[in-house]
Amino acid sequence: GIQVEQSPPDLILQEGANSTLRCNFSDSVNNLQWFHQNPWGQLINLFYIPSGTKQNGRLSATTVATERYSLLYISSSQTTDSGVYFCAVLSGAGSYQLTFGKGTKLSVIP
Amino acid sequence: DAGVTQSPTHLIKTRGQQVTLRCSPISGHKSVSWYQQVLGQGPQFIFQYYEKEERGRGNFPDRFSARQFPNYSSELNVNALLLGDSALYLCASSLLHRANTGELFFGEGSRLTVL
Repeated sequence: GIQVEQSPPDLILQEGANSTLRCNFSDSVNNLQWFHQNPWGQLINLFYIPSGTKQNGRLSATTVATERYSLLYISSSQTTDSGVYFCAVLSGAGSYQLTFGKGTKLSVIP
Repeated sequence: DAGVTQSPTHLIKTRGQQVTLRCSPISGHKSVSWYQQVLGQGPQFIFQYYEKEERGRGNFPDRFSARQFPNYSSELNVNALLLGDSALYLCASSLLHRANTGELFFGEGSRLTVL
């Protein structure tokens, strides 16, 4: 099956700093989503971005499907951005399952 | 509109027992999927249902089963619980049954502890 690798696994930032999280995948994808998992476990949708670039406030994402990677940018980080960020992909005709990476654990310190 | 709702939020069981977890999708969504997330890992796909039929199954033993009801809500059942079944169980709904054409939205999860 498809492999999803996220980097870095851990990231510590000072409040106000910017960061880039990366997601590499091993095959072509039909769906790519970025999630933020809060400390209580809920997965919050950030972007649905199988290709192209999207922005939402301080967050933006870019997926280059032909090169099999996606980037999540966080600008002017805040302590509330802390948590685990997951990239998840769906590939192959008839495939119904999202395959998740292992996540990037972000800690934003005041 | 309400998001994906799951119940119970927390539960504790002992080895060998059975558990039923419940999920109500977003209004208008007909597809429900279940995922298991153990500590420190990303969620793993268990099942996907659409129009009361199983449309996808992950690599989980037959102790895991699920069903979808006419109102599109779903239940996940796990029999003969093992310690390794301790995890966060997440339900997701989407508008279309072919998840590769739609965005998935997750509930807050049911945290199962097996003692």
